[in-house]
Amino acid sequence: GDSVTQMEGPVTLSEEAFLTINCTYTATGYPSLFWYVQYPGEGLQLLLKATKADDKGSNKGFEATYRKETTSFHLEKGSVQVSDSAVYFCALKVSGGYNKLIFGAGTRLAVHP
Amino acid sequence: SQTIHQWPATLVQPVGSPLSLECTVEGTSNPNLYWYRQAAGRGLQLLFYSVGIGQISSEVPQNLSASRPQDRQFILSSKKLLLSDSGFYLCAWSSGLETQYFGPGTRLLVL
Repeated sequence: GDSVTQMEGPVTLSEEAFLTINCTYTATGYPSLFWYVQYPGEGLQLLLKATKADDKGSNKGFEATYRKETTSFHLEKGSVQVSDSAVYFCALKVSGGYNKLIFGAGTRLAVHP
Repeated sequence: SQTIHQWPATLVQPVGSPLSLECTVEGTSNPNLYWYRQAAGRGLQLLFYSVGIGQISSEVPQNLSASRPQDRQFILSSKKLLLSDSGFYLCAWSSGLETQYFGPGTRLLVL
């Protein structure tokens, strides 16, 4: 079945470091891919998305490119800030009529000054 | 603009007690609605989804149930809570397009 695998956390970085959080997926067809972010004590917010191969989603300095050949959607940011500390979820939308999302387990990011 | 509300924000309940969590959406009509659970330190598990009033689909067999009495209201219930029901419950909506938008969540602790 469809699934999403994320790198295990926590990821601990110093401010202004480069961030990569790996995400790979298994899916039939051509799913849309998403990154959601969850700040402490809050619900999930959509960070970025990509709907087809080679699309690049970007928002708030974060980027991810839909790589069909490697079934990946890695999240990157060139210079992280303390305020980026959160849990990041990769997800795919299953083909079908009700927009079912399948989430990865989440990766906790801690950025220190 | 659309907003989604959940309440209560936090709930502490004894084992065996009933549960009712409410989710409402404003600013849109006929949304798809979803209930997710996030256990401590884990990812999200889809529990229920609804594409219309009275239409509920369950993803995972359990002692929880869901109802949609109005177009923009989605309720998660249980007759008798278990310890394993503890977690963070998130409601989400989508317009039939791809993106789901999440509410602030309800943190449930069953003791």
